[in-house]
Amino acid sequence: DVKVTQSSRYLVKRTGEKVFLECVQDMDHENMFWYRQDPGLGLRLIYFSYDVKMKEKGDIPEGYSVSREKKERFSLILESASTNQTSMYLCASSLERVGTDTQYFGPGTRLTVL
Amino acid sequence: RKEVEQDPGPFNVPEGATVAFNCTYSNSASQSFFWYRQDCRKEPKLLMSVYSSGNEDGRFTAQLNRASQYISLLIRDSKLSDSATYLCVVNGAGSQGNLIFGKGTKLSVKP
Repeated sequence: DVKVTQSSRYLVKRTGEKVFLECVQDMDHENMFWYRQDPGLGLRLIYFSYDVKMKEKGDIPEGYSVSREKKERFSLILESASTNQTSMYLCASSLERVGTDTQYFGPGTRLTVL
Repeated sequence: RKEVEQDPGPFNVPEGATVAFNCTYSNSASQSFFWYRQDCRKEPKLLMSVYSSGNEDGRFTAQLNRASQYISLLIRDSKLSDSATYLCVVNGAGSQGNLIFGKGTKLSVKP
């Protein structure tokens, strides 16, 4: 079974703090994704990566950056957290390079920014 | 027109009922279609892929209508454990063709 893990289930940070969310997958998947999910807005793609050290902007990259130094690990960084970044953050991975493959999700990190 | 549209529900049905969800998509070039299931406060999980010829997995049947650009999910003999939000997923436009997730249809199965 594919396993995608995220570093924290719940996180509370203060406005202006730098926040790191980490994601690890154990199935040697090429692609990794970061989404946020908000009530009424559904899942929105923040960033994705097709390979080590490669990153691509998704639909809502503003205020975020990412890092992929190793194939199994994809980090999401909030350089200066703001209250409008309070959300559920979901990491996903997929096997094939083409973006149409099934995605497997981690359990999510519920981030609250005060 | 939004890329993937679903009726948010909720659909409240009794156990044993048959319930159907529809989803429309805007990109006629889309090639990959899925239904995901998301339980409350959990991550989305793949329920089934949707193939052109339609496919069935136990009590679940998925259909694709390319001409009208809609996908359906039929659940027969509903169980309490089917209560969840069902996300329609389609690959989007552009060279990367990343998956686009609908906002989901909430199903509540009552005893």
